[in-house]
Amino acid sequence: DGGITQSPKYLFRKEGQNVTLSCEQNLNHDAMYWYRQDPGQGLRLIYYSQIVNDFQKGDIAEGYSVSREKKESFPLTVTSAQKNPTAFYLCASSVSGGNEQFFGPGTRLTVL
Amino acid sequence: GIQVEQSPPDLILQEGANSTLRCNFSDSVNNLQWFHQNPWGQLINLFYIPSGTKQNGRLSATTVATERYSLLYISSSQTTDSGVYFCAVDGYGGFKTIFGAGTRLFVKA
Repeated sequence: DGGITQSPKYLFRKEGQNVTLSCEQNLNHDAMYWYRQDPGQGLRLIYYSQIVNDFQKGDIAEGYSVSREKKESFPLTVTSAQKNPTAFYLCASSVSGGNEQFFGPGTRLTVL
Repeated sequence: GIQVEQSPPDLILQEGANSTLRCNFSDSVNNLQWFHQNPWGQLINLFYIPSGTKQNGRLSATTVATERYSLLYISSSQTTDSGVYFCAVDGYGGFKTIFGAGTRLFVKA
């Protein structure tokens, strides 16, 4: 089955800890994206990558970091510098930048 | 940057009713997508429609790019249509996708 997987589904973290969210796709897509969604709100772009070993900041990149070492993987690290990290995180991919995006099931992060 | 406004913010329908959701955007866009977010948070692709009209079963969408709006039509609504409908756009020259705040739809049995 082709698709996008995210893990874990739920994640709990203590304040001051870094945590890494996984995103994997087997669609052979070049572009990948990370979004944050707060309750009752739309999605906001954190980072995007158009190709391996390249990524760009979105609108709310502060306190987050990413890597793109493999085409199929785009992990997101939520660092302790992110002041309000509790949110729903969604990963997406597209054939190339600017094309139709497909989303994974998301990870719900709660900071205790 | 591009502003995206969706209306109405909330909508309650009786099963079987029809509805129209609107998405206005403030500048020319390279593409436009409609999504349905189900109660578990999964975003489901409905339409990729930078311009023109498309139909898929009970759903159809029209984007009038020159007037900077898109419409999503839901006919004969069902309880499973409940959830949040998002419009998302990309401007020209960049790949920063902008989402609207969504329309929250509840269909009563």
